Amino acid sequence: DTAVSQTPKYLVTQMGNDKSIKCEQNLGHDTMYWYKQDSKKFLKIMFSYNNKELIINETVPNRFSPKSPDKAHLNLHINSLELGDSAVYFCASSARQDPNYGYTFGSGTRLTVV
Amino acid sequence: AQSVTQLGSHVSVSEGALVLLRCNYSSSVPPYLFWYVQYPNQGLQLLLKYTSAATLVKGINGFEAEFKKSETSFHLTKPSAHMSDAAEYFCAVSETGNQFYFGTGTSLTVIP
Repeated sequence: DTAVSQTPKYLVTQMGNDKSIKCEQNLGHDTMYWYKQDSKKFLKIMFSYNNKELIINETVPNRFSPKSPDKAHLNLHINSLELGDSAVYFCASSARQDPNYGYTFGSGTRLTVV
Repeated sequence: AQSVTQLGSHVSVSEGALVLLRCNYSSSVPPYLFWYVQYPNQGLQLLLKYTSAATLVKGINGFEAEFKKSETSFHLTKPSAHMSDAAEYFCAVSETGNQFYFGTGTSLTVIP
């Protein structure tokens, strides 16, 4: 049973295309996140949702739009993809009422824009 | 403002030698501190966490870390490196437990 699952694992696409990455967690957590990891391994938070409500929205181009249909899912849609969007995107989840828990991460989606 | 500094983006140790990965944090309140490990082409896995219960924290795979408030540090150690320890290690800090700020990572190489 995968705790946090992301699909697809690899995504290769051309500039200008629109793509989505899906994330689902079966841990019963109420908070989900998207992080971007660049080629230098730097992890930067992009968005966070708590019970389907956006609570963190870092400085991210508005081409990126998260959608949370329910608290177990947080999808990331990217419009008009650019070369600089190439990175590994990680989904994570946590239980807000238990800050000692930390995050559980998905295995990542490697996005390559050509 | 909260932040994390990991000194040394690359650390190499011989198999069987001591592993020391450094993490210093900045936080205006007692922080939650975590270490995560990332193996090649995988997601991040929780190694250990400090949550104010004890200053010396033991984690998985023989790793441990000591919280030193006076030094604002949370260095990760392992007495004897194993080849399987080769990975990227991330220190993370949070003031609330809900939004974590990650360090830039330390790549550990273990030399046979």
